[in-house]
Amino acid sequence: SQELEQSPQSLIVQEGKNLTINCTSSKTLYGLYWYKQKYGEGLIFLMMLQKGGEEKSHEKITAKLDEKKQQSSLHITASQPSHAGIYLCGADGGAQKLVFGQGTRLTINP
Amino acid sequence: ETGVTQTPRHLVMGMTNKKSLKCEQHLGHNAMYWYKQSAKKPLELMFVYSLEERVENNSVPSRFSPECPNSSHLFLHLHTLQPEDSALYLCASSQGWGFYEQYFGPGTRLTVT
Repeated sequence: SQELEQSPQSLIVQEGKNLTINCTSSKTLYGLYWYKQKYGEGLIFLMMLQKGGEEKSHEKITAKLDEKKQQSSLHITASQPSHAGIYLCGADGGAQKLVFGQGTRLTINP
Repeated sequence: ETGVTQTPRHLVMGMTNKKSLKCEQHLGHNAMYWYKQSAKKPLELMFVYSLEERVENNSVPSRFSPECPNSSHLFLHLHTLQPEDSALYLCASSQGWGFYEQYFGPGTRLTVT
């Protein structure tokens, strides 16, 4: 079955710094979905990547999909306190099920 | 109300109690999901309903019983739970089954004592 591993598991950065979160798949990726979760709350859909080499941006968050490496990266530029939370990647786990990585907990220090 | 709502937000129950979690979506979606989120574990899919029919039961113990009376409402009936069932239970909906742009509710934090 499809498994997703995220790195790092937690990240603490100073406000204004850039950061990158990675999501690596155990199988070929046919689509990759990034979600953000505020602590103890529901997930918010950020963006979807479907093609190798695809890159999407939303405000200061950019995500890329590298199909050959079976990997996606999420990059935040000039981080702000509002970026704090848990970032989860998701992918098609087969049988129309979405499987998730374990999440990356991001803390922004002022 | 907009989006996906869940009630209650917090629930503490004993192992012999019976309780229900409620989810309502106001997005006109046709698929609804129950997920379980435990500490340090990936989000686990429990059940999927598509057009009010259960299409996925991900090897969930029978002490969890879902119900989908219509496309806007989803319930999770709980009985004789175990302490290891303590977790955040999230409801989600999507345009259709297999659409991975899913919209989540805020979750119910369940504690089993």
